[in-house]
Amino acid sequence: GENVEQHPSTLSVQEGDSAVIKCTYSDSASNYFPWYKQELGKGPQLIIDIRSNVGEKKDQRIAVTLNKTAKHFSLHITETQPEDSAVYFCAAWDTGRRALTFGSGTRLQVQP
Amino acid sequence: DGGITQSPKYLFRKEGQNVTLSCEQNLNHDAMYWYRQDPGQGLRLIYYSQIVNDFQKGDIAEGYSVSREKKESFPLTVTSAQKNPTAFYLCASSDRDRNNQPQHFGDGTRLSIL
Repeated sequence: GENVEQHPSTLSVQEGDSAVIKCTYSDSASNYFPWYKQELGKGPQLIIDIRSNVGEKKDQRIAVTLNKTAKHFSLHITETQPEDSAVYFCAAWDTGRRALTFGSGTRLQVQP
Repeated sequence: DGGITQSPKYLFRKEGQNVTLSCEQNLNHDAMYWYRQDPGQGLRLIYYSQIVNDFQKGDIAEGYSVSREKKESFPLTVTSAQKNPTAFYLCASSDRDRNNQPQHFGDGTRLSIL
């Protein structure tokens, strides 16, 4: 089955700086990679996703890159703001059981 | 508004007791999922269902049971066999008919032991 590794587990940046979170996956057949943001006491919310036929996708201050050869993908947040502070999860679609496998999460703290 | 509703928000279990967590969705999604989240950790898949009257075990199914009698409902029972049930439980759904669709999550149920 799919295995997803996520780094770092915690990340602290100054407001306005960029933040990068990296994930690797094991199943070369995986073709869908979403990123979720989870605020305290809430369920994860989808913030961006990418499919395997695309190398990069942007949505305002958020971008995701995918390297299928190396089996890793990354989340980039530019011009960070205090409201970006949350836990971020990457995930990869397990084609065998048709469900997402999640990374262990990154706690991002943006210092004002 | 379309979405996923989990209830209750907080739940307490006594020793030897079974408890059932509710998950209802009005998104007309075929697939539904249950995840467990422990403090500072990721989401682990308990059970999932791609269609009514069918479900599969995830990575940590022991001590849990589910049913899928209706498309919009996927209740999770935490049985007395689950010796460490304290966790945050998340339900999700997605559109099965289209490959690789995003999962939408509810706001979770926090289960604690009395």
